[in-house]
Amino acid sequence: AQSVAQPEDQVNVAEGNPLTVKCTYSVSGNPYLFWYVQYPNRGLQFLLKYITGDNLVKGSYGFEAEFNKSQTSFHLKKPSALVSDSALYFCAVRDDNYGQNFVFGPGTRLSVLP
Amino acid sequence: IAGITQAPTSQILAAGRRMTLRCTQDMRHNAMYWYRQDLGLGLRLIHYSNTAGTTGKGEVPDGYSVSRANTDDFPLTLASAVPSQTSVYFCASSVGPGNTIYFGEGSWLTVV
Repeated sequence: AQSVAQPEDQVNVAEGNPLTVKCTYSVSGNPYLFWYVQYPNRGLQFLLKYITGDNLVKGSYGFEAEFNKSQTSFHLKKPSALVSDSALYFCAVRDDNYGQNFVFGPGTRLSVLP
Repeated sequence: IAGITQAPTSQILAAGRRMTLRCTQDMRHNAMYWYRQDLGLGLRLIHYSNTAGTTGKGEVPDGYSVSRANTDDFPLTLASAVPSQTSVYFCASSVGPGNTIYFGEGSWLTVV
């Protein structure tokens, strides 16, 4: 069965500094990987996804993520953090051996400090 | 703006009462989903529908039922609410099963 881990409950970074939010996954087939962001009292918004192809995926709001098959990771990155990036971030995985259902990680709260 | 509309936005409900959370999408997506979000547990799939007329059970289906009479609507019913069903409920949809999922704004439900 597929699973996803986000090892950090909370990430703090200063505005203007690079940020990384970590995600590791476990699948038996090929992984389909996604990042979502949730602002307070809002629904989840899709940021980016990896299906196949280039390991570096670019998404909304200047975010990008790197797929690393050997480390089974899909870390979310941004070169220069903004205070407005402060939110809850979810990594999700779908295993093509287990149908269409996604598994979401527990979320990582990002705080960007001015 | 096209998307997913959930109603009500929030509700306080007495235990034992029946409640239906409504969800409508105007993107003509085939697949729809209901998730609940609880602190420390992330998002858990309750029920899903791959296409109109079909439904399936997710990770936590007990105490909930759904129907999919048409493409646009996917209501979630709590037949007899219990306090453990206090949660934030998100309806979502995708073009097809396994495609990128798009979420509604959520329905905050408190069962007392």
